[in-house]
Amino acid sequence: DTAVSQTPKYLVTQMGNDKSIKCEQNLGHDTMYWYKQDSKKFLKIMFSYNNKELIINETVPNRFSPKSPDKAHLNLHINSLELGDSAVYFCASSLQLKDTQYFGPGTRLTVL
Amino acid sequence: EDQVTQSPEALRLQEGESSSLNCSYTVSGLRGLFWYRQDPGKGPEFLFTLYSAGEEKEKERLKATLTKKESFLHITAPKPEDSATYLCAVTRSGSSNTGKLIFGQGTTLQVKP
Repeated sequence: DTAVSQTPKYLVTQMGNDKSIKCEQNLGHDTMYWYKQDSKKFLKIMFSYNNKELIINETVPNRFSPKSPDKAHLNLHINSLELGDSAVYFCASSLQLKDTQYFGPGTRLTVL
Repeated sequence: EDQVTQSPEALRLQEGESSSLNCSYTVSGLRGLFWYRQDPGKGPEFLFTLYSAGEEKEKERLKATLTKKESFLHITAPKPEDSATYLCAVTRSGSSNTGKLIFGQGTTLQVKP
């Protein structure tokens, strides 16, 4: 059973396009997160949602918009993709805001 | 500013050769320090959480310790399957805790048979 899943695993697209990444967790957690891992493998938080409410928005360009239709899902929509958006994006979830976070397998986004 | 620094960046060991990875942190009130393992092409896998200085946790060949300024991940008699990138992260305590994990840059461990 997959705890935190993401689709797609790979995403290759052209500059200027709009794309979405989906995340689902079946752990019954209340909090979900999006992280970005750059080419040097440095992980940095982008957003967190607690009970469908936005908690963290870490100086992310407003081209990035998270959407949480319910507590088990947190999707990431990216408008007008740029070369610098190329990275691996990880979704994570935790029982509550202060608890251990469990990560999904990642989505490798390549912008050409 | 909150900061996490891991050393060394890369470590090569022979199978059975024990060693330690270091994670130094600066944070305004530590709630927890987390160790994760990341294999190539996969997401970080949770290993340990440490909450207070002096705390230790063990799992198979791994043992994590915590002081007020740093944490160590000791690897005893490593095997090739322990090869991975080990990530350290911290969260703040109190009302400023938003669940945000502040990560170090990781230590990539390679264990040769």
